Amino acid sequence: DAGVIQSPRHEVTEMGQEVTLRCKPISGHDYLFWYRQTMMRGLELLIYFNNNVPIDDSGMPEDRFSAKMPNASFSTLKIQPSEPRDSAVYFCASSLKGRGTEAFFGQGTRLTVV
Amino acid sequence: AQSVTQPDIHITVSEGASLELRCNYSYGATPYLFWYVQSPGQGLQLLLKYFSGDTLVQGIKGFEAEFKRSQSSFNLRKPSVHWSDAAEYFCAVGPASGGSYIPTFGRGTSLIVHP
Repeated sequence: DAGVIQSPRHEVTEMGQEVTLRCKPISGHDYLFWYRQTMMRGLELLIYFNNNVPIDDSGMPEDRFSAKMPNASFSTLKIQPSEPRDSAVYFCASSLKGRGTEAFFGQGTRLTVV
Repeated sequence: AQSVTQPDIHITVSEGASLELRCNYSYGATPYLFWYVQSPGQGLQLLLKYFSGDTLVQGIKGFEAEFKRSQSSFNLRKPSVHWSDAAEYFCAVGPASGGSYIPTFGRGTSLIVHP
């Protein structure tokens, strides 16, 4: 398997624009996580899915953020409208069900909102 | 709620020296513990994990970690550091509840290796 695949790797957008980040998890994995990494706050869990169903979105900072998982092989994280403070690296990760199983991370999308 | 503390933001060592990165956790039951490494511009890669059995765990790249329940710690060690070990290291604990795996990460420790 190619691992967790995220696109794009880098995104530069203007404030107010819509941004969509994409993730393809490892085939067969049950869980999908979206994280945001910043210098100030470290690695924050935004939302996670179990079998394509959103379970906990309490980490989503504002209503401007939304995430979907229409099928087992694809998820999106959307920011609309984007703001400069959304600039960060966004990671997608996936894992199998079961205690002790680790999360596998994509390479991340570096988002810059100017 | 579970939590992880990595008390050192930065650690500087000379190449060839030994290394220990600290991790303390808070969790109500027997935890599942992980160490990840993040090289610049990359995602997080698993170094090792503990969930039962021998409290000394061996990982990739010559790393090991020891689970000490009495100290709520899971420190990462390496006997001889290589320049390529310079990276960000994250300790994580999970699961939260209900059998699902929701990792909680520490803030990370940045390792700087001097030649």
